[in-house]
Amino acid sequence: SQTIHQWPATLVQPVGSPLSLECTVEGTSNPNLYWYRQAAGRGLQLLFYSVGIGQISSEVPQNLSASRPQDRQFILSSKKLLLSDSGFYLCAWSGTENQPQHFGDGTRLSIL
Amino acid sequence: KQEVTQIPAALSVPEGENLVLNCSFTDSAIYNLQWFRQDPGKGLTSLLLIQSSQREQTSGRLNASLDKSSGRSTLYIAASQPGDSATYLCAVNAGGSYIPTFGRGTSLIVHP
Repeated sequence: SQTIHQWPATLVQPVGSPLSLECTVEGTSNPNLYWYRQAAGRGLQLLFYSVGIGQISSEVPQNLSASRPQDRQFILSSKKLLLSDSGFYLCAWSGTENQPQHFGDGTRLSIL
Repeated sequence: KQEVTQIPAALSVPEGENLVLNCSFTDSAIYNLQWFRQDPGKGLTSLLLIQSSQREQTSGRLNASLDKSSGRSTLYIAASQPGDSATYLCAVNAGGSYIPTFGRGTSLIVHP
């Protein structure tokens, strides 16, 4: 069966520090991969998605970037965090557009 | 542009009631619709996926219906329990797109 792993679960970082969040999927090949942010009191915002290795599409201009170095690995990064980067970050995968999305457990990011 | 609205935004009911959560979408040219559950501080758990050719899907006490022509889906929860307390989100996938459109969710509290 397929599983998705996302870490860390919580992270507290100072303003201006770098960021690296990792997401891996097991049990499937060539998944579509997604990074979302969920801010308090707001909906789910799509940040990046990828349909293949090295293929990244950005939905919202921001201080963040994403990379897909391997088929089932998706990384969210920042060189310098801002206070506004605080939030709950979720990774998800799906097969084709006909298949459901499956989410990781999320990372709670707090910027001080 | 697809827009997804969920009503009500919040709901508090006593245990045992049958519930109906609503999801409406503006563009009826959808591929499928997915209902999720999110517990506080957790990721999204997929509950039901309805293909555009289907009218409903059932899983245990949950039943989701889809009326494409009117742009509506409902999630019916029978005999609600305190363990059903969570936020319920719906997401719509358009044909040919890998990016679902999410509603903001309905926050449900079932009290004993």
